[in-house]
Amino acid sequence: RKEVEQDPGPFNVPEGATVAFNCTYSNSASQSFFWYRQDCRKEPKLLMSVYSSGNEDGRFTAQLNRASQYISLLIRDSKLSDSATYLCVVNTGANNLFFGTGTRLTVIP
Amino acid sequence: GAVVSQHPSRVICKSGTSVKIECRSLDFQATTMFWYRQFPKQSLMLMATSNEGSKATYEQGVEKDKFLINHASLTLSTLTVTSAHPEDSSFYICSASADSGLVLHFGNGTRLTVT
Repeated sequence: RKEVEQDPGPFNVPEGATVAFNCTYSNSASQSFFWYRQDCRKEPKLLMSVYSSGNEDGRFTAQLNRASQYISLLIRDSKLSDSATYLCVVNTGANNLFFGTGTRLTVIP
Repeated sequence: GAVVSQHPSRVICKSGTSVKIECRSLDFQATTMFWYRQFPKQSLMLMATSNEGSKATYEQGVEKDKFLINHASLTLSTLTVTSAHPEDSSFYICSASADSGLVLHFGNGTRLTVT
């Protein structure tokens, strides 16, 4: 089983829609979790860290469910500029980082 | 915010030659740096983890003699692709961390094309 699993999509949603991605991880001792955004042919950029209590930044909400071992990213009121690939990253400690395959989102006018 | 500079951003080389890619942390000391490779439409694949002053730890399937990593200082790591072949053509990205990998700061990537 992969350390981190993510639905690659693609997710094609209309502008204004709400879309959610999940990412499951296999190591219950995982310590920290992140969502990165990667635009085509560019490097990933940190979108949000994911905290146990859940956190929100504008239209973006990240949540962690330790019992079921997944993290989620919710995007409300999708914009065209949200089109990108969203990568989840899990740190199991001691510099052990695992990337999901990325979920490709396309927001359609 | 933390900045990581990667150079060159694009390189074309002939088969059999070697290419060196530099990754610098500009405003923080990076105790750990990571090197990744990304093929078109695929996710980042970690190649190796390097800690300043010690040997890099390579992921399974990555040839350490082909992909030479040097992390001689807290602000610079280099990846040298030796005897490059067309199948080495890819997008190589580094990231640096000052806090044991908790937050990654990525370089802007190097697109390598081997002809």
